[in-house]
Amino acid sequence: NAGVTQTPKFRILKIGQSMTLQCTQDMNHNYMYWYRQDPGMGLKLIYYSVGAGITDKGEVPNGYNVSRSTTEDFPLRLELAAPSQTSVYFCASSAPRGPNTGELFFGEGSRLTVL
Amino acid sequence: TQLLEQSPQFLSIQEGENLTVYCNSSSVFSSLQWYRQEPGEGPVLLVTVVTGGEVKKLKRLTFQFGDARKDSSLHITAAQPGDTGLYLCEWNSGGSNYKLTFGKGTLLTVNP
Repeated sequence: NAGVTQTPKFRILKIGQSMTLQCTQDMNHNYMYWYRQDPGMGLKLIYYSVGAGITDKGEVPNGYNVSRSTTEDFPLRLELAAPSQTSVYFCASSAPRGPNTGELFFGEGSRLTVL
Repeated sequence: TQLLEQSPQFLSIQEGENLTVYCNSSSVFSSLQWYRQEPGEGPVLLVTVVTGGEVKKLKRLTFQFGDARKDSSLHITAAQPGDTGLYLCEWNSGGSNYKLTFGKGTLLTVNP
């Protein structure tokens, strides 16, 4: 049972470089999310998607881009990496929310360091 | 903009003590979820509360949803070192858009 898979798990970037964090889920969830988490803090929403072809900004979208061409995949693109983007990134997916549904399923996280 | 406030931000207690953490907002939640996150892992769902006044129990954890659905609490009885982690509340701030956002969390340390 794969669930939500993120790659890479670790990455070091130089200032100004670009990269893509990959996220794929095999649960046929319409809703997918990217969060970042700084040490000891909660999760901040970067971007989210309610279905293929539909994306929207979260709380901290600056410096990031996303696309959602398929239900399964939701890559996060970092353009011109900056030290402020050093963080742990989590991808998550969910089914529609109801009294007993809509749990967020998370990937294992991608730890990114920008030097 | 509705904010999700969690308190306390940090809590360090001894094994066997009881504790309560809070999640508050100025507006009404349609529903609210509590997660626990252990170091190096993603958050894992503990419970979903939907109905005002609702109380749910999960072993030594008791979750309450305020009557007005603007606040929620998590009470742990006889805390154990295995309860150590970051406790997060999450809600849908986007209505039908499913914009799921988190509070800053309560970092709990239970010392043996």
